[in-house]
Amino acid sequence: QKEVEQNSGPLSVPEGAIASLNCTYSDRGSQSFFWYRQYSGKSPELIMFIYSNGDKEDGRFTAQLNKASQYVSLLIRDSQPSDSATYLCALNSGYSTLTFGKGTMLLVSP
Amino acid sequence: EAGVVQSPRYKIIEKKQPVAFWCNPISGHNTLYWYLQNLGQGPELLIRYENEEAVDDSQLPKDRFSAERLKGVDSTLKIQPAELGDSAVYLCASSLSVAGHGELFFGEGSRLTVL
Repeated sequence: QKEVEQNSGPLSVPEGAIASLNCTYSDRGSQSFFWYRQYSGKSPELIMFIYSNGDKEDGRFTAQLNKASQYVSLLIRDSQPSDSATYLCALNSGYSTLTFGKGTMLLVSP
Repeated sequence: EAGVVQSPRYKIIEKKQPVAFWCNPISGHNTLYWYLQNLGQGPELLIRYENEEAVDDSQLPKDRFSAERLKGVDSTLKIQPAELGDSAVYLCASSLSVAGHGELFFGEGSRLTVL
């Protein structure tokens, strides 16, 4: 059973701060890891993916992967109120099917 | 480029009634998925198609759920009869099967309420 664990939150940060979202997983065979953002009442939208250990940066977003610790995180720099959403961590174990966590709700206060 | 299109966006039915959801994936995407999302939960896979073949339907409750993807493009998910516990959002997603890392693109979802 592939499991993806996320703290449901909410994670509250002030505007301009760094938001750190974390995810752990159980399947060591997992190859790729994804972060999706989901606004209330909307469908998930892809933010970024990572498949190599280390950091991957895209604008204000940085994904971090540590396969030895089975840990993946998403950092959001200079958080904005528009970043308030649920962030879903997902993994791909090689069959093009993503397994999702329950998501972490992020609240960015002005 | 048009995204994944789903209809209807909202559906309210009484229990034991049938319901069907339709999905048109992104043009050229061979892989199509139906996911179920309950409130406060992440999406859970119901079925995955590679072209017209259902390659993973292990989580589809086959006693009441069925799906088809004729001609390897559009897909329909059906529930008959619907139960109260089926109230959820049904998400369709698509991806290029050779994308390498399996990025999925979701439609807006079909929100089902069973009374």
